[in-house]
Amino acid sequence: DQQVKQNSPSLSVQEGRISILNCDYTNSMFDYFLWYKKYPAEGPTFLISISSIKDKNEDGRFTVFLNKSAKHLSLHIVPSQPGDSAVYFCAASAMGGSNYKLTFGKGTLLTVNP
Amino acid sequence: SQTIHQWPATLVQPVGSPLSLECTVEGTSNPNLYWYRQAAGRGLQLLFYSVGIGQISSEVPQNLSASRPQDRQFILSSKKLLLSDSGFYLCAWGLRMPGEQYFGPGTRLTVT
Repeated sequence: DQQVKQNSPSLSVQEGRISILNCDYTNSMFDYFLWYKKYPAEGPTFLISISSIKDKNEDGRFTVFLNKSAKHLSLHIVPSQPGDSAVYFCAASAMGGSNYKLTFGKGTLLTVNP
Repeated sequence: SQTIHQWPATLVQPVGSPLSLECTVEGTSNPNLYWYRQAAGRGLQLLFYSVGIGQISSEVPQNLSASRPQDRQFILSSKKLLLSDSGFYLCAWGLRMPGEQYFGPGTRLTVT
């Protein structure tokens, strides 16, 4: 059972426009959400996170929105740049315990065209 | 600052051969450590995690094992590799609180 879902395997946008990457989750125990960016043959790089007590977190060109009632979060990149072309993973962590495991979605390949 | 190392970067091994991948973390103490695998065209699957020396938890039944002989060292092993073990293996560390995990550069394993 996939607890974190990224239903769009790919997204293509023009440079300068907004990129919106979506993620849905099913586990109501998730309380911390993260976005990672991954280039081929490299490890994922942390981008931005949000706690369940917030509904928005912004860092430069990146904004993450969380809708707890819909169990949905999204990553907005404005303006999109060609260097943003990568696979973006959504991840979630559940409260409790000491392991703080992350459950990842399958990723969305973003292509930003010049 | 903290850094995480993985080696080797790439590895080609025949079916039935043993495996040992090593991960070390610098600049932090008592981290949580994680091994993930990314199979071709798929997401990141958590294989093992460790909250302390000698403490290993397995997430999925498989042909692999993990060990943590020192605080900042995490090893992924197999006695006999299968074709299905091919993939991109990633080590990560995190602090003992909700938050980010930081990933190493990964090892590309091809089993032939």
